[in-house]
Amino acid sequence: AQSVTQLDSQVPVFEEAPVELRCNYSSSVSVYLFWYVQYPNQGLQLLLKYLSGSTLVKGINGFEAEFNKSQTSFHLRKPSVHISDTAEYFCAVLYSSASKIIFGSGTRLSIRP
Amino acid sequence: NAGVTQTPKFRVLKTGQSMTLLCAQDMNHEYMYWYRQDPGMGLRLIHYSVGEGTTAKGEVPDGYNVSRLKKQNFLLGLESAAPSQTSVYFCASSTIRQDGLEAFFGQGTRLTVV
Repeated sequence: AQSVTQLDSQVPVFEEAPVELRCNYSSSVSVYLFWYVQYPNQGLQLLLKYLSGSTLVKGINGFEAEFNKSQTSFHLRKPSVHISDTAEYFCAVLYSSASKIIFGSGTRLSIRP
Repeated sequence: NAGVTQTPKFRVLKTGQSMTLLCAQDMNHEYMYWYRQDPGMGLRLIHYSVGEGTTAKGEVPDGYNVSRLKKQNFLLGLESAAPSQTSVYFCASSTIRQDGLEAFFGQGTRLTVV
């Protein structure tokens, strides 16, 4: 079955520290990968996406993610977080064979001053 | 979230009532999706459609029905609402083009069933 796993439900970090939010997905021949951010009481905003090509993808707000096919992972990173990055982050995978977009359960990032 | 519009944005229903949520997109996307978002569970796929006239079940389809009579609209129906269906519902549409993938989300519908 197709599934997306975000291993950490909550990640607390200090301001200006680096952060990595983990995402693993069930293996498939053809996938497209996304990270979305959701600020309190708002909708989803696309941070970045991987379709093909370079495995390191840069997104908005200084975030980047690396696609690792052998480990079926797409971890999100930022070298130095800011208070404004406090939000919930969702990893999503489009399984092209089924045309379904499946989401992980989300990781709540909280930034401590 | 340009291009995907959900109506209504808020609704309160009594148990047993029915309602329909409308998702409309003007980007000529083939694929459309309905999700529900609950705390700690992320977005779970309810139903989806790969084209006009076709629908398929997602992860949590029970208690919901959908229709895609027109390519631009994807309707989500609750025939007999239950408190367990209190949630925030998101619609999305997507397409895969030669130059990449597009996926857009609506702003969400907050449904409360009392």
